[in-house]
Amino acid sequence: DIQMTQSPTSLSASVGDRITITCRASQRINTNLNWYQQKPGKAPKLLIYAASSLQSGVPSRFSGSGSGTDFTLIINSLEPEDFATYHCQQSYTTPNTFGQGTKLEIK
Amino acid sequence: EVQLVESGGGLIQPGGSLRLSCVASGFSVSSNYMSWVRQAPGKGLEWVSVLYSGGDTYYADSVRARFTISRDTSKNTVYLQMDSLRAEDTAVYYCARDRNWSGYWAFDHWGQGTLVTVSS
Repeated sequence: DIQMTQSPTSLSASVGDRITITCRASQRINTNLNWYQQKPGKAPKLLIYAASSLQSGVPSRFSGSGSGTDFTLIINSLEPEDFATYHCQQSYTTPNTFGQGTKLEIK
Repeated sequence: EVQLVESGGGLIQPGGSLRLSCVASGFSVSSNYMSWVRQAPGKGLEWVSVLYSGGDTYYADSVRARFTISRDTSKNTVYLQMDSLRAEDTAVYYCARDRNWSGYWAFDHWGQGTLVTVSS
């Protein structure tokens, strides 16, 4: 199975900050990488698919990049509603696997 | 509007069985790939199983031979039959639609989740 490793596992930031979350795959997955946002007690929400494509309705302050094994999620100018947990997921092969999650907290 | 609604979770003893249901609206489950993803308390997401539109099924190693995914097209519903349940199966179970964008797949819609607790 492909292992997905996110860093950091937790992050404190302030409204208006720019933050970066990274995700590394244990083998090359081209750009078959997705990012999800999850708030407490809620289902995950798709933010970015194919490493850099913004899902419909997702604000443009979210962006993704990367290919191969290394990927990043950037959130520009954090809004209060962005404080949540973020998960990466590879869809290159079955079983699809997720990173362990990154919890973004208010500083 | 696309919507997924899960049900069937609850408290079950180790070794027991449960069947989860996921009722879809706004699209046809028979024309889409449908997955189950679970999340143990305080943990990350774990893919469990997928049912392809053509009928093929795949499972995580942790549940293979114990869980069965299926669908009823007349009810537009996907099921997860869970047998021989273990404490480590305790989790919120989500169903999700797997969407394709020119060869790239992602879970674009999720249900609200149903909690399965395996405990004596």
